[in-house]
Order: sequence, then C-alpha cells, then structure tokens
Amino acid sequence: KAGVTQTPRYLIKTRGQQVTLSCSPISGHRSVSWYQQTPGQGLQFLFEYFSETQRNKGNFPGRFSGRQFSNSRSEMNVSTLELGDSALYLCASRVRGGGQETQYFGPGTRLLVL
Amino acid sequence: AQKITQTQPGMFVQEKEAVTLDCTYDTSDQSYGLFWYKQPSSGEMIFLIYQGSYDEQNATEGRYSLNFQKARKSANLVISASQLGDSAMYFCAMRPSFTGANSKLTFGKGITLSVRP
Repeated sequence: KAGVTQTPRYLIKTRGQQVTLSCSPISGHRSVSWYQQTPGQGLQFLFEYFSETQRNKGNFPGRFSGRQFSNSRSEMNVSTLELGDSALYLCASRVRGGGQETQYFGPGTRLLVL
Repeated sequence: AQKITQTQPGMFVQEKEAVTLDCTYDTSDQSYGLFWYKQPSSGEMIFLIYQGSYDEQNATEGRYSLNFQKARKSANLVISASQLGDSAMYFCAMRPSFTGANSKLTFGKGITLSVRP
C-alpha cells in the first residue's frame, strides 16, 4: 500500500497570499488530521476530517481551513499568510483495528512565508 | 487536558547499545493511546510503536519496546541495539479515549537522539 502523500513538498509564499496544501491518506483510511510543526510551538493539532466532515478543530484562527473530498483526500487552506505561518505542515491518516490504532504521517509540506 | 512531558534535551548512545527515551504524561481519561514517532532530518514522522492504556503487556515492535508504567504515568521507549540510522528526533504522543471519535494527538517537545559509531 502506498503511504500518506502530501503535495507540494516545499512552498515559498509572501505575506498576504493564500496557500492550499493537499494530503492523500492511505487507501481505505477515512480519517485525515492536520498538524503544524514549528520550532517554537512544536507540533500542534489543526483539524481532523472524517467522511468529509470536520470532527475536531484545534486552536487556530479562521484563516486556517480545510476540507475533505469523497475519496478521502484532504486539502488545507491558509489565507492572508503571515510570517508566523512558516512551518512544516503534516497530515496523518488513521486506522483502527483489533484494539490497536496507528496514525501514519505523510512527509509534510514545508511552507516558508517571506 | 492532556499533557506529554519529555525532559531529556538530547541523548547520546554508542552504536549497538540500548537506550531509553523518557516520556511522562498526564490525563484524566481512563482509556487512552500512547504513541512514539521518529522524525529524521527529512521531516517525515515515522510511526514506531503504540500502547493502549488497557493493554496488560508492554508493546514491542522489532528493536522498539515501550516500558509502560500506568501508575507512574510513564511510557518510556527502549531502543535495543542502536544503529546509526536511529539518529533522529523522537516524539511521544497521546490520543484521548481511543474508543471515542477524537483522534487528536498531543505531542511532547521531543528528544534528540544521536548514535555514535
């Protein structure tokens, strides 16, 4: 099975622009979560989607939004970019079974805001 | 609220030796899941091992084992026979009430492991 894929891998934007990141979960996984990783704040939960519905949301401003499509692929959008949005954005797809759970992460998208 | 604490700033280990990475957690949930991830310099988060709070046995995955002490609220990762490729950042994470719908992971700040040849 292919792993979690994220595109693009690297992105450079300027302040005020908007950006859309894409995540394709492992085939058959319906849950996709997004995380932001920065040196100062560490790993922070952005939101989770399951069957095209947002189930959980982290403490981020409304500039951060997302959606999930019927094929479970998810997109994350950040509008009016700020310098502080420079980060590694990771998405994860989740599978549960037999009392076990695993959340597999993609390679991430490195966003640099200038 | 859940909290993960990883206080070791950086760890060094000789190749082929074992190393323990510490993780303590705090939660009011009765059931929860604990994870360890490895993050090399490339940035990808690699899943290593999972422990459910009601699992009676410590989880093992190849060279990785989790020393789970529920009463002490600790979930230390043990890596046996360290390899040079083990050099990376290691994160401990927790998921609340794995029987529920909330799959949000709370992460610790991570520990840097360096393996010396």
